[in-house]
Amino acid sequence: KAGVTQTPRYLIKTRGQQVTLSCSPISGHRSVSWYQQTPGQGLQFLFEYFSETQRNKGNFPGRFSGRQFSNSRSEMNVSTLELGDSALYLCASRENNEKLFFGSGTQLSVL
Amino acid sequence: GESVGLHLPTLSVQEGDNSIINCAYSNSASDYFIWYKQESGKGPQFIIDIRSNMDKRQGQRVTVLLNKTVKHLSLQIAATQPGDSAVYFCAEMDNYGQNFVFGPGTRLSVLP
Repeated sequence: KAGVTQTPRYLIKTRGQQVTLSCSPISGHRSVSWYQQTPGQGLQFLFEYFSETQRNKGNFPGRFSGRQFSNSRSEMNVSTLELGDSALYLCASRENNEKLFFGSGTQLSVL
Repeated sequence: GESVGLHLPTLSVQEGDNSIINCAYSNSASDYFIWYKQESGKGPQFIIDIRSNMDKRQGQRVTVLLNKTVKHLSLQIAATQPGDSAVYFCAEMDNYGQNFVFGPGTRLSVLP
């Protein structure tokens, strides 16, 4: 099976813009989670989608949103970008409540 | 609140030696733990997992130990190789049994 695929790999945006990141999970995985990773920090949970419904949400402002499609592919959107949003955004998929399988991430730089 | 933390932010070991990476967790109700390895430019990669009904689990060159009494998790890597150089994260399943809380990570450097 193909692994978790994230696009694009790199993004450069300016403050105030918005951005959409895409994630294709492993075939058969219905759960997709998003994490933010910044230098010196651990991974911080953004939200999880399961069968097109947001199942859990972390402590991030409403500027961060997501959605999941019927084929389990997911997108994450960040509006009104801030400098502090610069990070590696990781997507992970899984079966049931088992281990997460991560993609390589999208490196977002906000200038 | 829940938290998972690592005792050492960096660890340097000689090639061929054994490595031990430690992790403390605070949620005594957690019953599922995972170790991930993250190499530069890549996403975290699953190494090994363990459930709370076990104290020890072995994989290929890796062993995870779980001490529920003191809420401590460790990852042992035997005969550490240059390819083991990476950041290692422990993760604990949260109170609701649905999402994982990750520690800050330990950077393992393998010296020639």
